[in-house]
Amino acid sequence: DVKVTQSSRYLVKRTGEKVFLECVQDMDHENMFWYRQDPGLGLRLIYFSYDVKMKEKGDIPEGYSVSREKKERFSLILESASTNQTSMYLCASSLQGYEAFFGQGTRLTVV
Amino acid sequence: QKEVEQNSGPLSVPEGAIASLNCTYSDRGSQSFFWYRQYSGKSPELIMFIYSNGDKEDGRFTAQLNKASQYVSLLIRDSQPSDSATYLCAVNERPNDYKLSFGAGTTVTVRA
Repeated sequence: DVKVTQSSRYLVKRTGEKVFLECVQDMDHENMFWYRQDPGLGLRLIYFSYDVKMKEKGDIPEGYSVSREKKERFSLILESASTNQTSMYLCASSLQGYEAFFGQGTRLTVV
Repeated sequence: QKEVEQNSGPLSVPEGAIASLNCTYSDRGSQSFFWYRQYSGKSPELIMFIYSNGDKEDGRFTAQLNKASQYVSLLIRDSQPSDSATYLCAVNERPNDYKLSFGAGTTVTVRA
């Protein structure tokens, strides 16, 4: 079974903190994604990566950055957390053109 | 314009009825289309994928794709209370087919 693991299920951070969300997949997938999910807005793509050290902005990259130093690991970084970044964050991985598999999600609250 | 649009819900259907979900997409060159189901508090899970025009059936689920109209749909036959969930349409976009974009989702409630 494909396994996508996110480092935390729940996270509470203070405004202005630097926040790291980690994601690891075990299926040698080229593509990895970070989405956020908010009520009524569906999944919105923040960043994605199609290879090691390669990244592209999604639809809402402002306030975020990413890192992919190894194929299996994709990190989302909130440089200075703000309350409007309180959300559910979902990591996913896929082979090109095929379905994406999701991690369990990280519920981030910024206070 | 949003790349992937789904019919707004919520959709309420009686048990045993057919639930019909619709999705349109803006990139005419898209090649891969997916339907995910998401239960409350859980991550999305794939239920159907379709790459070619026409219908694809898997148990009680049928996906329909019409690339000329840029339209993909999902039919759930003999709806069960366990089908109550949010259904998300996803599309791989060109030029390189690895950007995966989702619609906002349609919430389905099956009434017993």
